[in-house]
Amino acid sequence: DVKVTQSSRYLVKRTGEKVFLECVQDMDHENMFWYRQDPGLGLRLIYFSYDVKMKEKGDIPEGYSVSREKKERFSLILESASTNQTSMYLCASSSGVKRNSPLHFGNGTRLTVT
Amino acid sequence: AQRVTQPEKLLSVFKGAPVELKCNYSYSGSPELFWYVQYSRQRLQLLLRHISRESIKGFTADLNKGETSFHLKKPFAQEEDSAMYYCALSPYSDYKLSFGAGTTVTVRA
Repeated sequence: DVKVTQSSRYLVKRTGEKVFLECVQDMDHENMFWYRQDPGLGLRLIYFSYDVKMKEKGDIPEGYSVSREKKERFSLILESASTNQTSMYLCASSSGVKRNSPLHFGNGTRLTVT
Repeated sequence: AQRVTQPEKLLSVFKGAPVELKCNYSYSGSPELFWYVQYSRQRLQLLLRHISRESIKGFTADLNKGETSFHLKKPFAQEEDSAMYYCALSPYSDYKLSFGAGTTVTVRA
């Protein structure tokens, strides 16, 4: 069974701090994604990566960056946290071999920026 | 660009009653459509996808290209169906998934 693990379940950070959200998957998946989940807005794609060192912007990349140095790990970075980045962040992975293979999600990180 | 619309934020039904969650999409090409579900305190997971044409936990969904809809249906709702449901679309040639805003379903005894 695919396991996608997000390092923190809850995080509280101050405005202006640099924040790192970590995600690791154990199924050798090529694709990895970062979404934020907000009530009434659903899931919105921030960034995704289809290979090591490759990244593409999603629908709301402003204020975020990502890093994928190893296949199993995909990090989301908030360069200078702001209160409007308070949200639930979901990491997901999928196989790049089978097109449109399902996304496997982590448990999420609830980030509060004060 | 593609868009997924779920017009109902909340849906409440009685146990044993039929339930239908609406999903409409806009996309000019050939989409692949999915329903994902998140039960309380669990991670988001795939419920079903249109290419599989399968029934999962009694749920079915039919892609209607004429109406650009992919509504999720179950003839007899159960209390364990209470959850948040998301409709999602992926362009045929892409790995990205676009999600709707979600519908919270509550099944009452």
